[in-house]
Amino acid sequence: DAKTTQPPSMDCAEGRAANLPCNHSTISGNEYVYWYRQIHSQGPQYIIHGLKNNETNEMASLIITEDRKSSTLILPHATLRDTAVYYCIVRVDGTYKYIFGTGTRLKVLA
Amino acid sequence: GAVVSQHPSRVICKSGTSVKIECRSLDFQATTMFWYRQFPKQSLMLMATSNEGSKATYEQGVEKDKFLINHASLTLSTLTVTSAHPEDSSFYICSASGTSGGASTDTQYFGPGTRLTVL
Repeated sequence: DAKTTQPPSMDCAEGRAANLPCNHSTISGNEYVYWYRQIHSQGPQYIIHGLKNNETNEMASLIITEDRKSSTLILPHATLRDTAVYYCIVRVDGTYKYIFGTGTRLKVLA
Repeated sequence: GAVVSQHPSRVICKSGTSVKIECRSLDFQATTMFWYRQFPKQSLMLMATSNEGSKATYEQGVEKDKFLINHASLTLSTLTVTSAHPEDSSFYICSASGTSGGASTDTQYFGPGTRLTVL
């Protein structure tokens, strides 16, 4: 079973920040949190990952709570092309496997 | 960097035939490759994990004799769906992790997927 839970869908206005939450309350100390997105009929695209500290790259920011039981992916200025299903994944401890949850379907509105 | 390709992107076949799907890492050495399947409006389901030169490890409920996986080199893995039936119709996606070319062993890089339709 997936170790993460996410809201099934969210809307965001174009140009505004999109904040996508993820709960991973059973995460263990050395498990990373990964975020991917999947645009319709394509393979998932890597966005960002982190362990304890907040992370930022050219696509997004990742905020991880101090207890590591939840995280938020932030797309600072959402565009229509950001419409996709966003997956939060905790890699299975001791392996390189990902178990995908149901993800959040983000719709960016014009 | 860290680009993964799949071929073909789309295939239609008759029931009972076998179909081979290729997954290639274009600019890095893929020490581990993964195969997933995705049904419409559902999430990705991991089918198997393969390491170069080793037998694949299949997830529970995945028939290894039906879904043959070969990872013969550091840039190529193949998935063969044997004696395909309509219920095998799905979107098959591979991913790879590895070293060099900007890739990381900790991160999976996904191919664009192959849509299989079995008539």
